[in-house]
Formats: sequence, structure tokens, C-alpha cells
Amino acid sequence: GAVVSQHPSRVICKSGTSVKIECRSLDFQATTMFWYRQFPKQSLMLMATSNEGSKATYEQGVEKDKFLINHASLTLSTLTVTSAHPEDSSFYICSARDPRASNEQFFGPGTRLTVL
Amino acid sequence: AQRVTQPEKLLSVFKGAPVELKCNYSYSGSPELFWYVQYSRQRLQLLLRHISRESIKGFTADLNKGETSFHLKKPFAQEEDSAMYYCALLTGANNLFFGTGTRLTVIP
Repeated sequence: GAVVSQHPSRVICKSGTSVKIECRSLDFQATTMFWYRQFPKQSLMLMATSNEGSKATYEQGVEKDKFLINHASLTLSTLTVTSAHPEDSSFYICSARDPRASNEQFFGPGTRLTVL
Repeated sequence: AQRVTQPEKLLSVFKGAPVELKCNYSYSGSPELFWYVQYSRQRLQLLLRHISRESIKGFTADLNKGETSFHLKKPFAQEEDSAMYYCALLTGANNLFFGTGTRLTVIP
């Protein structure tokens, strides 16, 4: 299957700083990528849909100024958590839709963000 | 609004026993449903989708529109089936909406 990578896998930052997480489709071009958030022992919650060359579509309740998404190329989407606070600590997972595979979503390994 | 319910957070079965992971949904449109699996320390991956009507790793799932269910079944559980299983619904916006997941443990 298609491969999606995320970087970094873990990040610890101080409150008030910004953190950027990268999501890459390694062997296919993805016009659409997705960002999810997963709290401990809870389900994945879709945060936003990232569309190459256009603005991201945010789910209700997700602050677009807090979680900046950029999808500047067909293989890269970035999520920047701005002015991070301890309540932003979570597991962030991206996925990318592969048009070669009936638009199946392939998931990255996730990024563990801890805000001190 | 859509809803995906997985009533069991934890499920333990003995090796060789049948297993059924329950999933019920609520959706106003025509549902397209999936089962995703996450093995220990691995990423989430697609197990099967209802439109394929296929059996993957011995698992099957039938969409029952009358009961709004999409239960995942396997007649004989194996130890390697131990994992986290998520039922998901594809919404009209082409997004996946996930249930809360069931952790399956197969006891040797």
C-alpha cells in the first residue's frame, strides 16, 4: 500500500511556542490530506481537510488560527500548532487519499505533542 | 449528523473462539462503512470496506441497513488479531467519521 510519513514522531515544547508537524505521501501524489487528533483512549477526531493549492476545510470547533494547515505541494501538508498550550498536548495523525487506490486513505504513524 | 457507535471498549476472547465486534451507525445518506485496525505500535490501516464484500485475514462484515449495523466477525480468533479496531463511516463530504474503537485481546 501507499506510504505516508510524519515528522517528527514526538515533540516536546514550552507553552507559548509554535510547533510544525509535517505529513508526506512518499510514493504517490495526494491532492487531499487529512489531520486528526486523538486523545488517550479515545477515537480519532477529524480536525481539517487539507487541499493542495487551496485553503483547508476545518471541522466545527477547530480554531483555524490555532491550527494552521498548509498544503503547498502534492506530497506535503503541514500542521502548525501556534502558541501551544498544555491542552493542545495530544496525538496528531495525518492521512492522505491515494487516487490510485480508489481514494483509500493511508495513515501516517502519528506525532505525539507534549506542551509543558 | 452522523454517528458511529462501538459499544464495547474492550473485548477478550480465547484463541479459536468466534469474535464479533459491534458497530452501529446513524446516517441520513447512503452509508459507506469501513473497518480499520491498529496493531500495537503500528499505524492505522484499512481492514475492509463494505462495498468490497471481501474477507480479509478471515474477517468479514456485512452491512445491515435495517439494523444500521456493520459488525465485524471472524469464526476463529488468532493471537495476532489482538489490536484496536475502529469502525468508520464515510460522510457526504468524503471524510471518515470514526467510532470510539474496540480493543480486542485474544487469549492464548
